[in-house]
Amino acid sequence: NAGVMQNPRHLVRRRGQEARLRCSPMKGHSHVYWYRQLPEEGLKFMVYLQKENIIDESGMPKERFSAEFPKEGPSILRIQQVVRGDSAAYFCASSRGGASGTSYNEQFFGPGTRLTVL
Amino acid sequence: AQSVSQHNHHVILSEAASLELGCNYSYGGTVNLFWYVQYPGQHLQLLLKYFSGDPLVKGIKGFEAEFIKSKFSFNLRKPSVQWSDTAEYFCAVNARGSQGNLIFGKGTKLSVKP
Repeated sequence: NAGVMQNPRHLVRRRGQEARLRCSPMKGHSHVYWYRQLPEEGLKFMVYLQKENIIDESGMPKERFSAEFPKEGPSILRIQQVVRGDSAAYFCASSRGGASGTSYNEQFFGPGTRLTVL
Repeated sequence: AQSVSQHNHHVILSEAASLELGCNYSYGGTVNLFWYVQYPGQHLQLLLKYFSGDPLVKGIKGFEAEFIKSKFSFNLRKPSVQWSDTAEYFCAVNARGSQGNLIFGKGTKLSVKP
């Protein structure tokens, strides 16, 4: 049973370019979470999506960042006009359900995408 | 706002030493609590979790954690570490009834000397 897949694992972009990060959840999981880890920091929540819906984007920067989880295909985190401060590791997690307090809330993490902005 | 504090940035131990990693959270309501581990070059894996019931939780690889509600703490323990426990350990909380997103601490790097 494949785990959460993320690609690419490493992404290098120049300032002003766009970055697209992809996440395929575990089989049977319909909830996806994106987190960002800056150097020497813990993971910070960005956005929570279900198929075709954004449930919570309270951790997402207001500009340049967007996320989607279409009916078919992986979830995409898109960063437009990247800046050096966007350099970080971006982790995706998936869960079977979203209800807090039950086993369905357990999140399984992917290997991350390390974005470097030159 | 909810937050999680991990007191130690880097812990260095010899094999067979006992381990305790501190974790405190700030949130007035009911929480779910987690410890994740990230071995070098690998993704985060769940070590153990607390939802309700017995506050002493046993996880994989001999790890356990105790939830002390009065202290807002969820410290991770292992009686005897091995070289293979070298990794980064993250404490996380999730407010009961929230949408499910986790609040992470900054992590503690554990280095075990053979």
